[in-house]
Amino acid sequence: GAGVSQSPSNKVTEKGKDVELRCDPISGHTALYWYRQSLGQGLEFLIYFQGNSAPDKSGLPSDRFSAERTGGSVSTLTIQRTQQEDSAVYLCASSLDGTGAGEQYFGPGTRLTVT
Amino acid sequence: ILNVEQSPQSLHVQEGDSTNFTCSFPSSNFYALHWYRWETAKSPEALFVMTLNGDEKKKGRISATLNTKEGYSYLYIKGSQPEDSATYLCALTGYGNNRLAFGKGNQVVVIP
Repeated sequence: GAGVSQSPSNKVTEKGKDVELRCDPISGHTALYWYRQSLGQGLEFLIYFQGNSAPDKSGLPSDRFSAERTGGSVSTLTIQRTQQEDSAVYLCASSLDGTGAGEQYFGPGTRLTVT
Repeated sequence: ILNVEQSPQSLHVQEGDSTNFTCSFPSSNFYALHWYRWETAKSPEALFVMTLNGDEKKKGRISATLNTKEGYSYLYIKGSQPEDSATYLCALTGYGNNRLAFGKGNQVVVIP
């Protein structure tokens, strides 16, 4: 079946512009996560959605970052007024029920470059 | 904050040789240990999830062990092949916290 998809695969933007990154999770998965990997760093948690519960936004690095998940499916991560330090690979993952021992299925990522 | 350390950061292995690397983590508040494999230009792929002290998991030539009391996990690759070249990521979840806390990864290059 279809896995997690993300778009765009690559995005180059100028400093100060807004960007939107999209994630389509696996159908039926109630949990959705956003992570990012900056150069030389490990994967860093950003935000977590579980069903209809309020999202866990504790990993968002600044108020320029926001995310929403519409209808319990597709998610959009928005970065406003991008900065060069936002350059990273942004990964989305989904899991069936969001338990700590559940496998998370990752998308191919969006490589964001801020010039 | 769950601090996950992986060593060595990178290693080159001759084809046919076996290798192993380490993931260390705080043993308090442990819930589950995940290993992922991330090949260039692909999505990270789950290898193992382990929850119990002493757990051992195996998938083909790759295996992993878990020691929750001392806070470490080993990943072994037996008879390395070029297709094993990837970054192997270790990640932790704690109680009441479903996010994955990742280490920086072990980058493996298998030399034919």
